[in-house]
Amino acid sequence: DSGVTQTPKHLITATGQRVTLRCSPRSGDLSVYWYQQSLDQGLQFLIQYYNGEERAKGNILERFSAQQFPDLHSELNLSSLELGDSALYFCASSVGVGANVLTFGAGSRLTVL
Amino acid sequence: GQQLNQSPQSMFIQEGEDVSMNCTSSSIFNTWLWYKQDPGEGPVLLIALYKAGELTSNGRLTAQFGITRKDSFLNISASIPSDVGIYFCAGQQAGAGTYKYIFGTGTRLKVLA
Repeated sequence: DSGVTQTPKHLITATGQRVTLRCSPRSGDLSVYWYQQSLDQGLQFLIQYYNGEERAKGNILERFSAQQFPDLHSELNLSSLELGDSALYFCASSVGVGANVLTFGAGSRLTVL
Repeated sequence: GQQLNQSPQSMFIQEGEDVSMNCTSSSIFNTWLWYKQDPGEGPVLLIALYKAGELTSNGRLTAQFGITRKDSFLNISASIPSDVGIYFCAGQQAGAGTYKYIFGTGTRLKVLA
C-alpha cells in the first residue's frame, strides 16, 4: 500500500457521460499529480496541484478538469467522454512542489463503451 | 504529449543476465526518477537521482544521472523472474515556477527462466 488512495478502481461508462475520479494523497503530502496511461503507452502528465492551487498543466483536454480541496484530496472530472478516453488514470503525490519523489496510487481504470 | 525517449522499448533476457536501459532528452532535467510498473498496478519508485554524475544503487539496481543532465541510465544485475515489468524513467523540469515530471515511453522487460 503506497498510501495514495484512488477510487473507483474500475469504472465502465458510455460515450457522452461524465465521471469523477478521486484521489487522497499520502499523509503529509501537499502536492497531487494526475497522469493518463492509455493501453501499452507511457504516462502522460495532465495536471498538478499544490496545497489547493494549480501549479503545472500538461496536455489536459478542455473536457477534463481537476481541483484539490482544503483537505488535500483531489478530483479529476472527465466529461463528454469519448472512446479514446479509455485509459488508466493515476494520481501521485509528493511532499512539496520541488525535487520530490512521486508516490503513485493503484490507478482508476476507465472504460468508455 | 511530451515524453522522454527510452530504449530499448522491450527486451527478452535470460535469468541471470544483466540489463541496461537508458533515457534521453533534448532538454535538461534537475531530477531523474526510475520506476517499475507491474501489470494493472501503479508505478513504484526504484531510484531517485538529484545531481549530474550521481551514481546510486538499490540492491541489484544501479542508476546514473548523466553529466549533461539530458540522460539517465538504469542497470539491473543478475536478473530474476520477478524483474519482469515495465520500467519508466521520469525527468523533472524546473522553470517558471513549475516542477512537472515527464515520463519516458517505458522499457518492457521479460525474463526467461
